Amino acid sequence: DTEVTQTPKHLVMGMTNKKSLKCEQHMGHRAMYWYKQKAKKPPELMFVYSYEKLSINESVPSRFSPECPNSSLLNLHLHALQPEDSALYLCASSQDPDSNYGYTFGSGTRLTVV
Amino acid sequence: DQQVKQNSPSLSVQEGRISILNCDYTNSMFDYFLWYKKYPAEGPTFLISISSIKDKNEDGRFTVFLNKSAKHLSLHIVPSQPGDSAVYFCAASGDRGGGSQGNLIFGKGTKLSVKP
Repeated sequence: DTEVTQTPKHLVMGMTNKKSLKCEQHMGHRAMYWYKQKAKKPPELMFVYSYEKLSINESVPSRFSPECPNSSLLNLHLHALQPEDSALYLCASSQDPDSNYGYTFGSGTRLTVV
Repeated sequence: DQQVKQNSPSLSVQEGRISILNCDYTNSMFDYFLWYKKYPAEGPTFLISISSIKDKNEDGRFTVFLNKSAKHLSLHIVPSQPGDSAVYFCAASGDRGGGSQGNLIFGKGTKLSVKP
């Protein structure tokens, strides 16, 4: 298995909802990342997990809460989002945080906040 | 088969000189290209991009050149500074960066060392 799988592919949520995005990989990668991509813009890094521990938080608002239950799974919990949070959320993984190769991106979850 | 190739794993440059990082791709459907920069123990962060409708994009000390006929792009950093020392990844996408279809395909990276 050489893929990063993200579910759901599409999500519409209200500003008072609580939802979660899921990311899964079975390549034995020990670093996992969340990126946010607005339309026609490049992905921007949100969080880095290294060996299941949060190592980087790029000043992301607390309404986004990441979780790494095990080495294969990465979640992004969403609560009280704003319409401007509507974007494509991409998950990626690599062998380890210092790896120079092997970055794999999932196909993303397209989130719409209404 | 690698669709995005960075054939130089490392590059060493003197401070103040130009750094040129190269990237080749094989998929003619790619139409959006990005360069990412990565410091140790951090995730790649976006640096500069170029759409296939252009052949050059400049942002301060960083310029990306795209040669579609050769399926080649390069990143020029001038003047190079010690803080530029990092791993640089070339990435390509086939949907103008919209992300709604194919994934970003990354090259293997080139480690740049800028010496004072």
